Parts: sequence; C-alpha cells; structure tokens
Amino acid sequence: DAGVTQSPTHLIKTRGQQVTLRCSPKSGHDTVSWYQQALGQGPQFIFQYYEEEERQRGNFPDRFSGHQFPNYSSELNVNALLLGDSALYLCASSSARAQETQYFGPGTRLLVL
Amino acid sequence: GEDVEQSLFLSVREGDSSVINCTYTDSSSTYLYWYKQEPGAGLQLLTYIFSNMDMKQDQRLTVLLNKKDKHLSLRIADTQTGDSAIYFCAERGSTLGRLYFGRGTQLTVWP
Repeated sequence: DAGVTQSPTHLIKTRGQQVTLRCSPKSGHDTVSWYQQALGQGPQFIFQYYEEEERQRGNFPDRFSGHQFPNYSSELNVNALLLGDSALYLCASSSARAQETQYFGPGTRLLVL
Repeated sequence: GEDVEQSLFLSVREGDSSVINCTYTDSSSTYLYWYKQEPGAGLQLLTYIFSNMDMKQDQRLTVLLNKKDKHLSLRIADTQTGDSAIYFCAERGSTLGRLYFGRGTQLTVWP
C-alpha cells in the first residue's frame, strides 16, 4: 500500500516564476491538505481539497492556488514566486470518513533565488 | 487564532525516558497529535489522542492530556539514538481537519 507521494522532491526557481507541486494521496483517502514548512518552523496550513473543491483555506495570498482531480490527487500552484516562498511543502491525506488521522508525504523542497 | 507552544530543545541519554511538553490554546480541540520529523523528511504520525481521554499508551510512547490546563506531553521510554528527531505537537480544532502545529522540539539522544 503506497503512502502519500509527492513530486518533485526538490525544485529551484527564480523570483517571479510559477511552480506546480503534485501530490497523490494514500490509497483509500479522498481529502488532501497542503502545508508550508519554513526552516525552523512548524507546518502552516495552506488549504484543503475535498470532492475537487477547496474546503477551507489558511492565511495565504491568492498567489497560492490548488486543484484536486477526480482520482483525488492534487496540485499546488504558486504564482509570482517570492524569496519568502522558499520552504518545504507538505501534502497530507486523510479520509472524510476518518478525519482524525492525516498522513504526510515526504514533501517538496522549494528554493526561490 | 490557535496557538501551540513547545520547548525547542531536549537532550537525554540513551536508555533514559524523554518527556516532551506542549501547550495549546483552543479549548474546542478535538484531537491532539504527535508527529516525528527526521532530517530532510516529511512528518511521521506517531500517535494521537481524542480530547475526552487523559492518557494513551502505545508501546514505548505514552501521551498524557490535561484538558483543564491545555497541556499535552509525550513520554518516550527507553529512548534510543534512532529517536533523535524533531517532534511536533499539533491540535485539530473545530474547523474541518485543519491542524495547528507547534515549532517542534529537537530531541537529541546521546549514547
């Protein structure tokens, strides 16, 4: 049983560029949440997708957007990258029927130069 | 908003017990979690406790919850060098599935 997978593992971009990160949830899970973890900090909630819609959103600007596909996989898009967007981006999956457990992927480390 | 606080560092000798503490502010928290993060890796769910419980034991791990004081602790018995990592406390409040994390406690285990 594959766990949560994310791609790519690492990414280097320059300011102003756009980036797309991908996540496949754990088998049997239908809900995907995205978190940003800056160096030395705990993860911060970006948004959550369920039934292909954004269900809730944290305190992040509109430059951060997402999508969920019919197979429950998800993308996180960040436009007009800033140096401060450099972080580890974590995807977490859960089941709407058992929301108490969220399992995290290995993350995508984004560096903005 | 919700606020989760943890001490940043803890050092113990191999074989001793480790106790990592956490405080939170949201009295409507439904679940509280402990995650482990090794260098360069994602978060591994270690254990969680429902807010109407006061203790949960899982092999070497014991979670204690004092809901009145909004205090959560994780005790690791017989700590091993492989337990060296960052441990995050997180709460799930009344909002759907969103987790609020502390800054993490860096546990260092000395041989």
